[in-house]
Amino acid sequence: SAVISQKPSRDICQRGTSLTIQCQVDSQVTMMFWYRQQPGQSLTLIATANQGSEATYESGFVIDKFPISRPNLTFSTLTVSNMSPEDSSIYLCSVARDTDSGANVLTFGAGSRLTVL
Amino acid sequence: AQSVTQLGSHVSVSEGALVLLRCNYSSSVPPYLFWYVQYPNQGLQLLLKYTTGATLVKGINGFEAEFKKSETSFHLTKPSAHMSDAAEYFCAVSASGGYQKVTFGTGTKLQVIP
Repeated sequence: SAVISQKPSRDICQRGTSLTIQCQVDSQVTMMFWYRQQPGQSLTLIATANQGSEATYESGFVIDKFPISRPNLTFSTLTVSNMSPEDSSIYLCSVARDTDSGANVLTFGAGSRLTVL
Repeated sequence: AQSVTQLGSHVSVSEGALVLLRCNYSSSVPPYLFWYVQYPNQGLQLLLKYTTGATLVKGINGFEAEFKKSETSFHLTKPSAHMSDAAEYFCAVSASGGYQKVTFGTGTKLQVIP
């Protein structure tokens, strides 16, 4: 399966600033996903990023707050803009792996732990 | 739409004891079901999945799960817990068919007591 590298692994940021998280995959993939993992809550899908098209955002997430870039088939970035303490979370990049059954099996990066003061 | 409920945010078992992590799902269409495991400071990795066919599926590290449609359940079991099984486990569901959105449960942290 694909190997995913995320940077930064963790960061502490000030309220009102923005942070860009990078996701690098060791092979070309069609679909990349960005998730948020908050303590005691389920992983929540932020958006789906396909190369060459605009990201598709889930309900409750907007492009102005979470702009995503997908310049090629191995790389994506997620920016968390105008941060507030409520944005403190782990942000996870994932990619879909084809299986014989057609199921959407996900491979995840280790995550970027963001703390906003 | 799909949803998942994991009963018990924390489960403790003794080393060598049975592991049972509960998962119930809701889906308006035939589901695909998954269990993922997350070790500290690592990304989630797939333990096992159910798509079609045999309802008892076996995964890595001796884990297995049984799809019970009548009970809308997909509980994860392992006959004998090992210290290395301590991790957080996530049940997930998607609609059947390729590249469907995957919805995760809130996770269960498994503690193994020596």
